[in-house]
Amino acid sequence: SQTIHQWPATLVQPVGSPLSLECTVEGTSNPNLYWYRQAAGRGLQLLFYSVGIGQISSEVPQNLSASRPQDRQFILSSKKLLLSDSGFYLCAWSPPGARYGYTFGSGTRLTVV
Amino acid sequence: QKEVEQDPGPLSVPEGAIVSLNCTYSNSAFQYFMWYRQYSRKGPELLMYTYSSGNKEDGRFTAQVDKSSKYISLFIRDSQPSDSATYLCARNAGGTSYGKLTFGQGTILTVHP
Repeated sequence: SQTIHQWPATLVQPVGSPLSLECTVEGTSNPNLYWYRQAAGRGLQLLFYSVGIGQISSEVPQNLSASRPQDRQFILSSKKLLLSDSGFYLCAWSPPGARYGYTFGSGTRLTVV
Repeated sequence: QKEVEQDPGPLSVPEGAIVSLNCTYSNSAFQYFMWYRQYSRKGPELLMYTYSSGNKEDGRFTAQVDKSSKYISLFIRDSQPSDSATYLCARNAGGTSYGKLTFGQGTILTVHP
C-alpha cells in the first residue's frame, strides 16, 4: 500500500531563517506531488506541483521554492522566512493522470516568529 | 469570484441530526467533485468523489452534484460526535490539469452529544 510521510510535524522558526520541509511517498512510482498551504480558517492554497523529477510548477509567486530531487521526494524550501509564511503546510500525492482525489500527508505546522 | 465557494460556518448540530454541507462552483467545465474531511491538526482525508451530476451514497454519507445550478452537497445522516471536523469541497480542474484540485475554504462542523 502507498504511504506518504511528511516531517517535521511542528516547526518554530525565526524571521529570516531558512526552511526545508520534506515529503516522501512509498509504494508507488512516478506520482504527482503537491505542496499546499492552509492559513488559519481558510482553505487550501496550491503552492507547487510536480509531475516528475526536476519538473516543478509554481502556482503562486512567493518566498518559497520546491524541488523534486528523486521520484518520490518533494522538498519545500525558503532562503529567508517571513512572518506571512506561517501556516499549515501539506504535502499530497496522486497517481499520474488521476482525475479525483489526493492523499495528504499529516502536515507541518510552521510558526515564524 | 472564487472558483469554489463554501460557507465556513461554523455549524453546530445535535447528535443524530442530518447535516447538509454545500458548495457552489463557477466553471461549468469541472467534472469531478470531492469531499474531504479534516480533523484538527491533521491532513485532509478523501471522503467521497462524484463525477458529473447525480448522487453517490456511502454509508451515512451522500454526495450530490447539481450541474444546472452549479451546486454540490454532502449530507450526513445520523451524525455522530466523531463527525466533528472541517469538511472541504474540491473540484478537479480537468483538461491538462488533471490532478490539480481547487478547494473551498471548508465548513467547520461540531456534532454535540
